[in-house]
Amino acid sequence: GAGVSQSPSNKVTEKGKDVELRCDPISGHTALYWYRQSLGQGLEFLIYFQGNSAPDKSGLPSDRFSAERTGGSVSTLTIQRTQQEDSAVYLCASSLQGFRDSPLHFGNGTRLTVT
Amino acid sequence: AQTVTQSQPEMSVQEAETVTLSCTYDTSENNYYLFWYKQPPSRQMILVIRQEAYKQQNATENRFSVNFQKAAKSFSLKISDSQLGDTAMYFCAPTPLVFGKGTRLSVIA
Repeated sequence: GAGVSQSPSNKVTEKGKDVELRCDPISGHTALYWYRQSLGQGLEFLIYFQGNSAPDKSGLPSDRFSAERTGGSVSTLTIQRTQQEDSAVYLCASSLQGFRDSPLHFGNGTRLTVT
Repeated sequence: AQTVTQSQPEMSVQEAETVTLSCTYDTSENNYYLFWYKQPPSRQMILVIRQEAYKQQNATENRFSVNFQKAAKSFSLKISDSQLGDTAMYFCAPTPLVFGKGTRLSVIA
């Protein structure tokens, strides 16, 4: 079966523009996570969706960042008024049951460059 | 808040040798799972091994094994018979919300 799919794989945008990053999780996976990985750094948790529950937004760094998940499947991460410090790789992951015991399946990420 | 420490930013090992990557964490949870993930230069993050905290027995997956010390909150990864394909960043994650900063492992021929 298909893995986690992210698009675009690379995105270059000008400072101040809005961007949308897409994640298509593995079919049947109820949990979906977004992370940010800056150059040479670990993963910074951004937001977590589990089924129909309210998302855990505790990792979003500012109100310029938002995400939604439609129909319990595809998710879009939106960054408004992009800044140069937003340049990073944005990774999406899904898991079968969510949280503690289910391993994460990652996409290849979107490399965002803000010029 | 949960924290994770990977104290070795970079390591290298000769092909066929054994290497151990360290990870310590802090959690108030009692029943949890710990994961090691590998991120090769291709960027695709994949699961290496999973440990259930309530199990005494250390997890093993082929050449990969863990040394889990629950009381010490230590979760190290041992790679035996290292191969060139093991070259990658390795991340420890006691929960999906908290990852260590990673250890960059280079396997040298």
